[in-house]
Amino acid sequence: DIVMTQSPDSLAVSLGERATINCKSSQSVLYSSNSKNYLAWYQQQPGQPPKLLIYWASTRESGVPDRFSGSGSGTDFTLTISSLQAEDVAVYHCQQYYSNPYTFGQGTKLEIK
Amino acid sequence: EVHLVQSGGGLVQPGGPLRLSCTTSGFTFSNYWMSWVRQAPGKGLEWVANIDQDGSEKYYVDSVKGRFTISRDNAKNSLSLQMNSLRAEDTAVYYCARDRYCDSAACYSNPLGPWGQGTLVTVAS
Repeated sequence: DIVMTQSPDSLAVSLGERATINCKSSQSVLYSSNSKNYLAWYQQQPGQPPKLLIYWASTRESGVPDRFSGSGSGTDFTLTISSLQAEDVAVYHCQQYYSNPYTFGQGTKLEIK
Repeated sequence: EVHLVQSGGGLVQPGGPLRLSCTTSGFTFSNYWMSWVRQAPGKGLEWVANIDQDGSEKYYVDSVKGRFTISRDNAKNSLSLQMNSLRAEDTAVYYCARDRYCDSAACYSNPLGPWGQGTLVTVAS
């Protein structure tokens, strides 16, 4: 199974500042035949189901603000929020959909400093 | 608009059974794999099972193999998870989610989404 490890476990950032969350997979999730990274990021607010933010490591889901961006390839990925807003307080999860069983990182809790 | 509405869940004794359902609308259900994902209290997300578009392929996380059964009814646009021999460690919020897309030629990996609203399963005596 592919193990996904996020860092940090929690993060406190001031409003308007940049937030960066990292995700590392135990093996590459880059499919060579199409050059796509099978890596997604989800946002989960309290009491809510996860919401898809980013897929293919860097493609924003429709309706997601452009302050959210994803980067990385192979085994190392980053979710960046360029200017933190109050509504971005949530837990963020990375997930690989390269192979079954799908696996998630442990989650990163983002708070306002 | 795509909707996934879950039902079932509740309190069950250890060793008992429970069935979860997920009724969908707003998309061609029979063109998609579907997944179940769970989240234990205060913990991260754990993928539980998925099923292909016609119900012929099913995959499970090791911890539920032999105890849980995923199924679907394409005529009713619905997904189910039959959970038997439940354990305390199965206590979690369970979510259904849309999975990979299939057309007549092939299936295409997708991230999971949209998701159902979630339903709490509590295994306790």
